[in-house]
Amino acid sequence: DQQVKQNSPSLSVQEGRISILNCDYTNSMFDYFLWYKKYPAEGPTFLISISSIKDKNEDGRFTVFLNKSAKHLSLHIVPSQPGDSAVYFCAASGNGANNLFFGTGTRLTVIP
Amino acid sequence: DVKVTQSSRYLVKRTGEKVFLECVQDMDHENMFWYRQDPGLGLRLIYFSYDVKMKEKGDIPEGYSVSREKKERFSLILESASTNQTSMYLCASRHGGGGQETQYFGPGTRLLVL
Repeated sequence: DQQVKQNSPSLSVQEGRISILNCDYTNSMFDYFLWYKKYPAEGPTFLISISSIKDKNEDGRFTVFLNKSAKHLSLHIVPSQPGDSAVYFCAASGNGANNLFFGTGTRLTVIP
Repeated sequence: DVKVTQSSRYLVKRTGEKVFLECVQDMDHENMFWYRQDPGLGLRLIYFSYDVKMKEKGDIPEGYSVSREKKERFSLILESASTNQTSMYLCASRHGGGGQETQYFGPGTRLLVL
């Protein structure tokens, strides 16, 4: 059973606009959330994370928002750039567990 | 910079062959992981290891085994490859302690089983 879900398989955005990628989770024990970015033929690379004690974390153009009551997080990219075109995976861990639970990914295309 | 390397980028094998996928990390990380990535299914954990000679099953261990004889190296073994094991295989490593540590991924091995 998928504990981390990304319901939008793809998203297209104009360059300069905001990209919003969404992620939902079902396990209330998750306390740490991450976003990874993956280009074709490369491994995923870590982008940004957030602990459950926060509701927002910002790093440059990237901001992650966490809504614990809704079990929902989102990644905002502002402004979007063509180089941001990639597959984005949401991941979660909890209870000091060693492994991560990944979503199915959202393919972002930023149109120049 | 953390470096995770995988022995092959592309591999073509025949059904029934024994396949070894090797992963090496250079950051003295305690934890290492093997995932497979399939379209529409995301990354699914096959096995992970939290120490030398220690291993734990992930979500989809059937048809796979692993070996961790040295801290820096984690091998994934397909005992008898089948066509449904055609996939992208990703290795990752992470410093120990659980919780809030980032996993670092290798470039992946794309395996085709004919």
